[in-house]
Amino acid sequence: AQSVTQLGSHVSVSEGALVLLRCNYSSSVPPYLFWYVQYPNQGLQLLLKYTTGATLVKGINGFEAEFKKSETSFHLTKPSAHMSDAAEYFCAVRGSGGYNKLIFGAGTRLAVHP
Amino acid sequence: DAGVIQSPRHEVTEMGQEVTLRCKPISGHNSLFWYRQTMMRGLELLIYFNNNVPIDDSGMPEDRFSAKMPNASFSTLKIQPSEPRDSAVYFCASSFENSNQPQHFGDGTRLSIL
Repeated sequence: AQSVTQLGSHVSVSEGALVLLRCNYSSSVPPYLFWYVQYPNQGLQLLLKYTTGATLVKGINGFEAEFKKSETSFHLTKPSAHMSDAAEYFCAVRGSGGYNKLIFGAGTRLAVHP
Repeated sequence: DAGVIQSPRHEVTEMGQEVTLRCKPISGHNSLFWYRQTMMRGLELLIYFNNNVPIDDSGMPEDRFSAKMPNASFSTLKIQPSEPRDSAVYFCASSFENSNQPQHFGDGTRLSIL
């Protein structure tokens, strides 16, 4: 069975500091992994995805994530936080059984302070 | 391109009333998902369809909930009768069937049952 664990339900950083949001997964099939961002009163937006190929994936808004099979991790990073990055972030893994079902983590709320 | 369109954006109604939430997926997408998001339970998958056929409704909380997809461009989620504990934000998402494709989310319907 597939599952996702996001370490830290709340993360707070200073503007300009490194952002690191942690995601670990378990999967019985080759993992396809996704990060989504949710701004207040909006739906989830895709930040980036890993399916195959290069393990360092770049996404929108300066975010990137690295797939590490040995660590079953897919952590999200951004070198320099901006106030506009304050949002909730969800990591997801492809579910089994096809049909593009996703298994989501519980989410991490990122706060950015001046 | 038009994204996933949900209506209404907000719904306030009294318990016992029937509630119908609507979703128009992105044209060409053949998978559709209904989610519920609450503070207590996070993001829950309720049901998903492939080519208009319900594939897995194991996430539907009880018989008061039902979903239909009469054609490729429209789906409904109905709650009858509604209860205060159904208050949540309900999201619809769509995607291509291929599992390396992301889901695209609508902006959600914020439902309040008084």
